[in-house]
Amino acid sequence: GESVGLHLPTLSVQEGDNSIINCAYSNSASDYFIWYKQESGKGPQFIIDIRSNMDKRQGQRVTVLLNKTVKHLSLQIAATQPGDSAVYFCAENTMAGGTSYGKLTFGQGTILTVHP
Amino acid sequence: DTGVSQNPRHKITKRGQNVTFRCDPISEHNRLYWYRQTLGQGPEFLTYFQNEAQLEKSRLLSDRFSAERPKGSFSTLEIQRTEQGDSAMYLCASSFSRGQETQYFGPGTRLLVL
Repeated sequence: GESVGLHLPTLSVQEGDNSIINCAYSNSASDYFIWYKQESGKGPQFIIDIRSNMDKRQGQRVTVLLNKTVKHLSLQIAATQPGDSAVYFCAENTMAGGTSYGKLTFGQGTILTVHP
Repeated sequence: DTGVSQNPRHKITKRGQNVTFRCDPISEHNRLYWYRQTLGQGPEFLTYFQNEAQLEKSRLLSDRFSAERPKGSFSTLEIQRTEQGDSAMYLCASSFSRGQETQYFGPGTRLLVL
């Protein structure tokens, strides 16, 4: 069936470097994308989202880029810190019934390790 | 704490026993979702409610699983006759149904079936 997947299962960076985490999706009907951060033993924590009518959105130290042509989105983390070490998931949502969003479909996740 | 809360945080049970988990959503949110997550995987959707109504159930939700949200506030997820394959993290999330529909997750309930 339709799925959201990640290119790289692990990413190791030095503190202060910029990190880029990639995600490919296959459902062309997807119109809302979210990045979550999950630390060990905790639930996913919302980072940033983007709707399909945008190609870029910036938050605090994070930027999400969406390329609908190739069904790809990425999460850029500037000046990565040890506290950013976690598993990062992209998730996809689709307008259900033309009125609102329903369930999320998650990818497998990328493990980000930041070395001091 | 005004976030999503889940209880218990951990549950160990023997195969064949019934277990029940509780989720308290963010108070203003009218939607509540249940997901299951196994090690190394992303969360998988199980079911969700809008107010008291259960709007969608996944094929993953076998007849041993039942979820309720009787008053449109907290929800319970019950697993009957647990199997070892039910061992997972059970996550609850909540959101608004219109406007800001971001789903915010609770800390999860980790279930181990022996």
